[in-house]
Amino acid sequence: AQSVTQPDIHITVSEGASLELRCNYSYGATPYLFWYVQSPGQGLQLLLKYFSGDTLVQGIKGFEAEFKRSQSSFNLRKPSVHWSDAAEYFCAVEGNAGNMLTFGGGTRLMVKP
Amino acid sequence: DTGVSQDPRHKITKRGQNVTFRCDPISEHNRLYWYRQTLGQGPEFLTYFQNEAQLEKSRLLSDRFSAERPKGSFSTLEIQRTEQGDSAMYLCASSWDRGRNEQYFGPGTRLTVT
Repeated sequence: AQSVTQPDIHITVSEGASLELRCNYSYGATPYLFWYVQSPGQGLQLLLKYFSGDTLVQGIKGFEAEFKRSQSSFNLRKPSVHWSDAAEYFCAVEGNAGNMLTFGGGTRLMVKP
Repeated sequence: DTGVSQDPRHKITKRGQNVTFRCDPISEHNRLYWYRQTLGQGPEFLTYFQNEAQLEKSRLLSDRFSAERPKGSFSTLEIQRTEQGDSAMYLCASSWDRGRNEQYFGPGTRLTVT
């Protein structure tokens, strides 16, 4: 069965600093990977996805992620964080059965002014 | 495209009561998913439909839970004899089944069982 690990439960960065959120997955076949963002009390918004092809994918709000098969990782990055990026971020892998998603435990991002 | 909607947004109920949630997917999407998210955790898959057929159910979906999608459009999730452990955010998502398509999530229903 697939699984996703987000090693960092909380991360605090200063506004304007760069950001990297880690995601490691376990899946037997070619993974389909996603990053979602969730603001307090809200549903999930898709930031970006990786299905195949170029291993560096661009998303919304200036985010990007790099798929590294050798490391089973799909880390999310942003060169300059804005205060509005404070939220919870979830990495997910798509399974075989009906495209259900398996999520990591999430990383809560706080942004210092 | 008005997005995925869920109703109610919040529900407070007493232990032992039955509750029902509704999800309206994006109109052209034929797949619909239910997830449960407890505080501080990522969402966990409960069940999914392709059109009106329920094709997959998680072991998390005990016999107190039932989901329907009678006409392949909206879906309902009912919890009977609620327990405090059922307190969570219940998220609905929908997608198109052609090729690889991402799931679009609704705002969720926050259930509190007292």
